[in-house]
Amino acid sequence: DAGVTQSPTHLIKTRGQQVTLRCSPISGHKSVSWYQQVLGQGPQFIFQYYEKEERGRGNFPDRFSARQFPNYSSELNVNALLLGDSALYLCASSLVAGNEQFFGPGTRLTVL
Amino acid sequence: GDSVTQMEGPVTLSEEAFLTINCTYTATGYPSLFWYVQYPGEGLQLLLKATKADDKGSNKGFEATYRKETTSFHLEKGSVQVSDSAAYFCALSDHIGQFYFGTGTSLTVIP
Repeated sequence: DAGVTQSPTHLIKTRGQQVTLRCSPISGHKSVSWYQQVLGQGPQFIFQYYEKEERGRGNFPDRFSARQFPNYSSELNVNALLLGDSALYLCASSLVAGNEQFFGPGTRLTVL
Repeated sequence: GDSVTQMEGPVTLSEEAFLTINCTYTATGYPSLFWYVQYPGEGLQLLLKATKADDKGSNKGFEATYRKETTSFHLEKGSVQVSDSAAYFCALSDHIGQFYFGTGTSLTVIP
């Protein structure tokens, strides 16, 4: 079975630009969460979606937004990029919210 | 709010040494507890979990017991191998399914 997939693998942007990251959950999983992992730190929670509804939001500015589609895939959008947004962005899926989460390989975003 | 505190690393051990990575948590209610492992350049993989007090999670020789009285979930392995070199993250899931991660502990095992 395919695991969680994310695209793109790597991305380089400049300050002020906008970026869209994509995630496909494990088949049958209805919950998707997004995390930001800065080098040397643990993942920080950004969003959780379940059945296409936002279930939770972490302490991130409004420049960060996300959505979940009818097929349960998800997009994370970040506007007006800052240097500090450089990080590994992880997507995780679970059968239902609260169950163990299965992580994708992440998208490495570099903002110059 | 809910949070997880992990012992800071990095940790360097010789092969076959005993491993303990401490993890304590703060939570309202009764969270589920997890250990994830991250190998260089990869995403996080679930190592083990425990969903209620006194549960013991185990996998690949690693163990951790959910201790409600000490709010702890320490990771242990009796004999580490070079292939265990990775970053280890303790995490909790609260009543609405939001995950909180510790800062991670980097482990290097030398032959």
